[in-house]
Amino acid sequence: KNEVEQSPQNLTAQEGEFITINCSYSVGISALHWLQQHPGGGIVSLFMLSSGKKKHGRLIATINIQEKHSSLHITASHPRDSAVYICAVSRGSQGNLIFGKGTKLSVKP
Amino acid sequence: DAGVIQSPRHEVTEMGQEVTLRCKPISGHDYLFWYRQTMMRGLELLIYFNNNVPIDDSGMPEDRFSAKMPNASFSTLKIQPSEPRDSAVYFCASSFPTGLFNTGELFFGEGSRLTVL
Repeated sequence: KNEVEQSPQNLTAQEGEFITINCSYSVGISALHWLQQHPGGGIVSLFMLSSGKKKHGRLIATINIQEKHSSLHITASHPRDSAVYICAVSRGSQGNLIFGKGTKLSVKP
Repeated sequence: DAGVIQSPRHEVTEMGQEVTLRCKPISGHDYLFWYRQTMMRGLELLIYFNNNVPIDDSGMPEDRFSAKMPNASFSTLKIQPSEPRDSAVYFCASSFPTGLFNTGELFFGEGSRLTVL
């Protein structure tokens, strides 16, 4: 069993829809990261959080440490949000990440 | 700052050849990470450095892989000899100076796409 599980693996939405991507993990962590990988391949860090909730524009990330679960929400989705969203966790002071397999999001106009 | 700079962006080589991938981290970042991404396994950490010193190389697949960081502004990942199963995208990333835990935001390079024939 993978230590970081994401769902769904693939997601197709219509422009304007509210989107949720889930991440569950089975190990103790110091922080959780949400990354975005565009079709061109580049990876951008969206959020790093260890508790509560963070918001940036139309993106919201939440984490529940007790339940070992995080969600990434996209409000008013747009075709430019089409990308692979990757959840990753960091452990202790080692600073290395364990990655989920990613969720491929496609937003149709 | 120009961000994390990797070279080459694409490399096609034949099995058995030596491959060297290069990375220039963001100035001031004291952590540098090398990751590999394949369709089958997704993203995996290969090795990371703190202040130019290798901290954890447990992700390096085998002795054919080696990484160095001779100074704060340059790192290399070398594969010798290369094999077709090494074909992947190799990402370098760097992060801010540490706090109590190194959970700093990561900044990724554009990646080096390696194809070994």
